Amino acid sequence: KQEVTQIPAALSVPEGENLVLNCSFTDSAIYNLQWFRQDPGKGLTSLLLIQSSQREQTSGRLNASLDKSSGRSTLYIAASQPGDSATYLCAVNSGYSTLTFGKGTMLLVSP
Amino acid sequence: DARVTQTPRHKVTEMGQEVTMRCQPILGHNTVFWYRQTMMQGLELLAYFRNRAPLDDSGMPKDRFSAEMPDATLATLKIQPSEPRDSAVYFCASGPGQHSGNTIYFGEGSWLTVV
Repeated sequence: KQEVTQIPAALSVPEGENLVLNCSFTDSAIYNLQWFRQDPGKGLTSLLLIQSSQREQTSGRLNASLDKSSGRSTLYIAASQPGDSATYLCAVNSGYSTLTFGKGTMLLVSP
Repeated sequence: DARVTQTPRHKVTEMGQEVTMRCQPILGHNTVFWYRQTMMQGLELLAYFRNRAPLDDSGMPKDRFSAEMPDATLATLKIQPSEPRDSAVYFCASGPGQHSGNTIYFGEGSWLTVV
């Protein structure tokens, strides 16, 4: 059974810092990995999707990497802003688009 | 713009009552998922459908939960009878489903409190 772990569970940084969120998964037989953002009281918004054949994806200040063989992914946020404050969830697709989620990293960026 | 719509957004009910949550997937999406989110367990897959047929509902307590897709524009999740431990946020998501490489899109959730 696929298990997804995210470290740290919570992170507080001052505005402007670069930061890294970590995700690990136990079964490397995946189709893709996604990073989502969840704001309080809201649903999930997909940030980046990395196919199993890819090593990284970039969108603006966000960069996600994938090392399938070691079961790891990182989400790098450059020059963090208060608007980046949210919970970030990593999810692994092991087939048929069914996702196994980590429990998330709660990020607070203070002005 | 296209989005997954869930109703109700919030529901408070007494233990033992029936609860029905509804989801309208994005038009043209043929795969629909129900997830439950709690502080302790995080997000868990309850059930999913492809072309309205249930493919997997192994994550769902069978004695009290049921999920259906009466038509392509409506998915329902029913709890009968409800219990306090069912208090959670229930998310519906949909995807195009042609292959496993696609992303899926989440609704804003139904926030259920059973007292």
